[in-house]
Formats: sequence, C-alpha cells, structure tokens
Amino acid sequence: GAVVSQHPSRVICKSGTSVKIECRSLDFQATTMFWYRQFPKKSLMLMATSNEGSKATYEQGVEKDKFLINHASLTLSTLTVTSAHPEDSSFYICSASLTAIGEQYFGPGTRLTVT
Amino acid sequence: DAKTTQPPSMDCAEGRAANLPCNHSTISGNEYVYWYRQIHSQGPQYIIHGLKNNETNEMASLIITEDRKSSTLILPHATLRDTAVYYCIVRDDTGANSKLTFGKGITLSVRP
Repeated sequence: GAVVSQHPSRVICKSGTSVKIECRSLDFQATTMFWYRQFPKKSLMLMATSNEGSKATYEQGVEKDKFLINHASLTLSTLTVTSAHPEDSSFYICSASLTAIGEQYFGPGTRLTVT
Repeated sequence: DAKTTQPPSMDCAEGRAANLPCNHSTISGNEYVYWYRQIHSQGPQYIIHGLKNNETNEMASLIITEDRKSSTLILPHATLRDTAVYYCIVRDDTGANSKLTFGKGITLSVRP
C-alpha cells in the first residue's frame, strides 16, 4: 500500500522558535497533501490543503502566516510552525493523495511540544 | 461539521465479530461512506469505503442500508490489535479537493 512518512516523529522546542515538519510520499506522487492537527482526546481537525506547485488553502481559523505550508514537489510537503507557543503543542498529521479527490494515505504523525 | 453520528464506545471479546454502527441520515447521492481507524498516537489507517453496495476487503465488511442513512462496519474476528478509534466519514468524491471531516469516532476496546 501507499506509504507516507513524517519527520521528525517527535520534537520539543522553546517558545518563540520555529519548527519544520516534513511529510513525504515514499512510493507514489502526491498531487494533494493535507495537514491535520489533533489535540489530546480530540478528533483530527483539517488545517490546510495543498496542491503541488500552488498555494495552500487554509481552513477557517487557521493562521496562514503562522502555519507555513510548502508543497514544492510531488513527494514532499512541509509545515512550518512559526513563533511557536505552548498552545501550539499538538499532534500534527499529514496525508497524501494521488489526486485531489483520491484516497488519502496518512503519515504516522509528529508530536510537537512547545515549552 | 461531521455528518455522521457514532456511539462513543463499545467493546467486544477477542475472536468475536465487532459490529460498529454509524448514522448518516443527511447523506447525499454523491457521498461515499468511508471508515478509518486510529490506533493510539498513530496516524489514521484506511479501512474501507462504499457508495451503496456492501463492500468487503481483507480487513472488514461494510454494510450500507438501502436508504443509505446508516451503515455498519464489521470486523469479523476482532483481535486485541483492533483496539482503536474508528471514524465513519461521508465524503463527496466528485468534488474538487474532497475533504475528510473527522467526527469523534467510536472507541472500540477488544477484551481478551
């Protein structure tokens, strides 16, 4: 089956710093990638949708200047949390799809802790 | 908002069938029913999806009622590794950038 990886799996950073999370589709080319956030004991919430070579589309309430998304190639998307604060601590999960409406394959997630 | 409702939790004995219900009374004609599961601290895993016919794969069976207002995911022989949160999602597969909107899901606990 299709494999999606994320790096790092776990990161701790200090308040005010920026953190970059990578999402890679290992065995297929992903036209579309999605970024989700999940707080403890809560469900996944979609943050943004990115198509290769285009600007990301952010969900309502998600600050695009704080959560920078780059999808420069068909196998890599990055999420940069800028000026991170403790309330940004969460489980960040990406998914990748061959097409905009195709099945989504999820990465293993990245646990971000901001101290 | 999620268009599905699921009970918050259920349990079943190892080796027995687990039948997970889902209501989607406002489902429209273009929307498919998808099931994903999430084991603790991992990313979601695709299980199965269908439009109106029953579907079966190596993981599970999906039974959709004739009026499509509800469905049941069946794990025929549950194991301890099936303990997870199961999400029932409806999605329009004909639109551009079809999003998956996750609800609260149902927590399945498989007991020895």
